[in-house]
Amino acid sequence: QVQLQQWGAGLLKPSETLSLTCAVSGGSFGTDFWSWIRQAPGKGLEWIGDINHRGTSNYNPSLQSRVTISVDTSKNQFSLKVTSLTAADTAIYYCAREPSLYGYYVFDSWGQGTLVTVSS
Amino acid sequence: QSALTQPASVSGSPGQSITISCTGTSSDVGGYDYVSWYQQHPGEAPKLILYDVNNRPSGVSNRFSGSKSGNTASLTISGLQAEDEADYYCSSYTNASPLFGGGTKLTVL
Repeated sequence: QVQLQQWGAGLLKPSETLSLTCAVSGGSFGTDFWSWIRQAPGKGLEWIGDINHRGTSNYNPSLQSRVTISVDTSKNQFSLKVTSLTAADTAIYYCAREPSLYGYYVFDSWGQGTLVTVSS
Repeated sequence: QSALTQPASVSGSPGQSITISCTGTSSDVGGYDYVSWYQQHPGEAPKLILYDVNNRPSGVSNRFSGSKSGNTASLTISGLQAEDEADYYCSSYTNASPLFGGGTKLTVL
């Protein structure tokens, strides 16, 4: 059974860069896509982007100018960077799997979430 | 892109059935049979309960079912149980990126 474990800094200042990493264990890293999704406090979910083991990435158009998702296949890890942070980026950030077995943009396994707070 | 529209809250008594709607446009819900639903308990990550409108992942109760008509998808929970009290989110494929609903809080009375 696939497991996702994520980590990264939780308190950042405006204009700084968010950096999170998600490690995948239990198989399937080479067959699936891997996503980042965020949830502002008390709000709904927002897809940030995804990547596969080849480094093919897709981004939410609303965030694309500030987001980079990268992959390290030697460690079965993928990472998220978001630049030019503002208070509006305060959210719980989740990593998640998109299994190739299912249809488009289906997220069946999730990391534990990381609360990122942007405050001066 | 605007979020998909869900009712803010629904409620039901144990044993009853409830339905949560998810309304979009012909560019998302209405255009593709790629609607999924997630259950989220407080303090936890979302859990996939339905995908491709009405398919259940292994291990998800058959009390959860889905349907779609036009630009509106629906999640039905039958035989309501106390453990079903949670937030529910729909999601739809679009040609740009997946879109989520604003979420519906289900209260089991």
